[in-house]
Amino acid sequence: GENVEQHPSTLSVQEGDSAVIKCTYSDSASNYFPWYKQELGKGPQLIIDIRSNVGEKKDQRIAVTLNKTAKHFSLHITETQPEDSAVYFCAELEGGSYIPTFGRGTSLIVHP
Amino acid sequence: DAGITQSPRHKVTETGTPVTLRCHQTENHRYMYWYRQDPGHGLRLIHYSYGVKDTDKGEVSDGYSVSRSKTEDFLLTLESATSSQTSVYFCAISESMASSSYNEQFFGPGTRLTVL
Repeated sequence: GENVEQHPSTLSVQEGDSAVIKCTYSDSASNYFPWYKQELGKGPQLIIDIRSNVGEKKDQRIAVTLNKTAKHFSLHITETQPEDSAVYFCAELEGGSYIPTFGRGTSLIVHP
Repeated sequence: DAGITQSPRHKVTETGTPVTLRCHQTENHRYMYWYRQDPGHGLRLIHYSYGVKDTDKGEVSDGYSVSRSKTEDFLLTLESATSSQTSVYFCAISESMASSSYNEQFFGPGTRLTVL
């Protein structure tokens, strides 16, 4: 990967609202896009990922969408809960690569 | 949780002193990484290893060295610590299953280093 832009850097929502975090990338060879969640005082942990042959993937309240033409992918969290408060990182890799390129992170705050 | 430990978890040291951080894994994964995390910069790769005694530089390797003499241990050394190296350091591991596969990274709990 070359470069990943992640927005917004901070996102504040009310409990029950939806949250969307967007990442754009520049490397057309990228074909794996994971999302990591980092809770306070802990290391990041994979929460969902998507491969380039899929446009959308869901896992309960979280979903990821990918638009390869526009080179962007997004994390969607519905019905947010206070425990969703964390820093979220997007990343991208080329197939077979083991060095991801990370976005700079989004601090999500869910207010009760 | 993946079996990754980091030691120490917290360290305060003075400028100019050497510091070594240790990452230990019990997963027998091939790849190991050292990142630093700073506000506004996200995760930046310092060094990584693709096997015993096989290491390479990441984007912020100046002032750091690494060693991997065993599959399970990856050491990060600051030869002469500076205040700019105050950060939270994360170790990560991953395993390539095939040349065309994808690699989830598993992160350790982090080491908070303060250089005075």
